[in-house]
Amino acid sequence: ETGVTQTPRHLVMGMTNKKSLKCEQHLGHNAMYWYKQSAKKPLELMFVYSLEERVENNSVPSRFSPECPNSSHLFLHLHTLQPEDSALYLCASSKGLRFENIQYFGAGTRLSVL
Amino acid sequence: ILNVEQSPQSLHVQEGDSTNFTCSFPSSNFYALHWYRWETAKSPEALFVMTLNGDEKKKGRISATLNTKEGYSYLYIKGSQPEDSATYLCASSETGNQFYFGTGTSLTVIP
Repeated sequence: ETGVTQTPRHLVMGMTNKKSLKCEQHLGHNAMYWYKQSAKKPLELMFVYSLEERVENNSVPSRFSPECPNSSHLFLHLHTLQPEDSALYLCASSKGLRFENIQYFGAGTRLSVL
Repeated sequence: ILNVEQSPQSLHVQEGDSTNFTCSFPSSNFYALHWYRWETAKSPEALFVMTLNGDEKKKGRISATLNTKEGYSYLYIKGSQPEDSATYLCASSETGNQFYFGTGTSLTVIP
């Protein structure tokens, strides 16, 4: 157990659906992250939040919409996705934003877009 | 974008063998490097955070070294066990804000 919980673990959705991924951390951390892992590619950082403020958005399409209502919860709202968005989505948290802080990851949500 | 490369891409070793793999990054600017261990269907787990040239860190049978002048870090596993089978990821940062992961080294330890 890393202290970071992601739900659901698996999700299948059509291109016209709207769904949300949830991440919760019980570590008292101030920073939270969304990553995308596609086959044969490195982990790609999508969004970074620090103290509930978005500090990084790495040119992610607007069909992905993050939300951080408090420092323990992070959501990724999905709408009108494309089949190429099928991937493993990982959430992570860290004590602080700077890279010397270890990141604690959830187990991920495996998303399939049909 | 920072080019972080890991080699080899995959590795099969016999139980009891020692092994090592490499993470390469641009040496021009360096802030910190992370090593993670990622077992199938589990969460990536942090092994080491390395910040200083010449750093050596150890956790049980796993150790890592860092050479920021030449832009590489080695991860060593002594006496590999089947439970060491996992993908080992490194991530590097030049600024402390942006960071980039390599594609990982997949290790399989054969009993």
